[in-house]
Amino acid sequence: DTAVSQTPKYLVTQMGNDKSIKCEQNLGHDTMYWYKQDSKKFLKIMFSYNNKELIINETVPNRFSPKSPDKAHLNLHINSLELGDSAVYFCASSQGTLRDGRGYTFGSGTRLTVV
Amino acid sequence: AQSVSQHNHHVILSEAASLELGCNYSYGGTVNLFWYVQYPGQHLQLLLKYFSGDPLVKGIKGFEAEFIKSKFSFNLRKPSVQWSDTAEYFCAVQTGNQFYFGTGTSLTVIP
Repeated sequence: DTAVSQTPKYLVTQMGNDKSIKCEQNLGHDTMYWYKQDSKKFLKIMFSYNNKELIINETVPNRFSPKSPDKAHLNLHINSLELGDSAVYFCASSQGTLRDGRGYTFGSGTRLTVV
Repeated sequence: AQSVSQHNHHVILSEAASLELGCNYSYGGTVNLFWYVQYPGQHLQLLLKYFSGDPLVKGIKGFEAEFIKSKFSFNLRKPSVQWSDTAEYFCAVQTGNQFYFGTGTSLTVIP
């Protein structure tokens, strides 16, 4: 039973398209995140939602818009895709704001390729 | 600027060799520290974590890490690596509500 699931696993699309990546967690966690892993394997946080409320919004282009319909889901919508958006996007969840040091549970990632 | 540094970008070892991966951070306050592993084609998994108590922490698969506060370091060690340890290893630091990852170290273990 997958704890944090992302769909799709692979996404190939043309420049200029709009696409969404979905994330769902069944752990009962109240905080969810989106991370971007670039070609050099560097992980960078993009967004964080706690109980459907945005709490971290790093400097990412406003073409990226997260949507959290409930605390078990955090979807990522990307408008007008660019070549530089090609990366692996990881969803993650945690309980609370990590002050207890439990760490994250990560999804398996979505490899986005923009051509 | 706050940062997490992993100086070894790519490490190649033979099986049974000992491993030490460096991790340094630049935050002055209270931190929680983590090591994550990403096997080829898989998602990130927590190897071990430190948030208080004994600075030498033991994780899964024979890994351990030592927190040295004076050196702002949290190095990962394993006395004898196996081919199955081939993966990317990420150090991460949590301060308050922020979580920062290092750039990762790619470990290749040769049988």
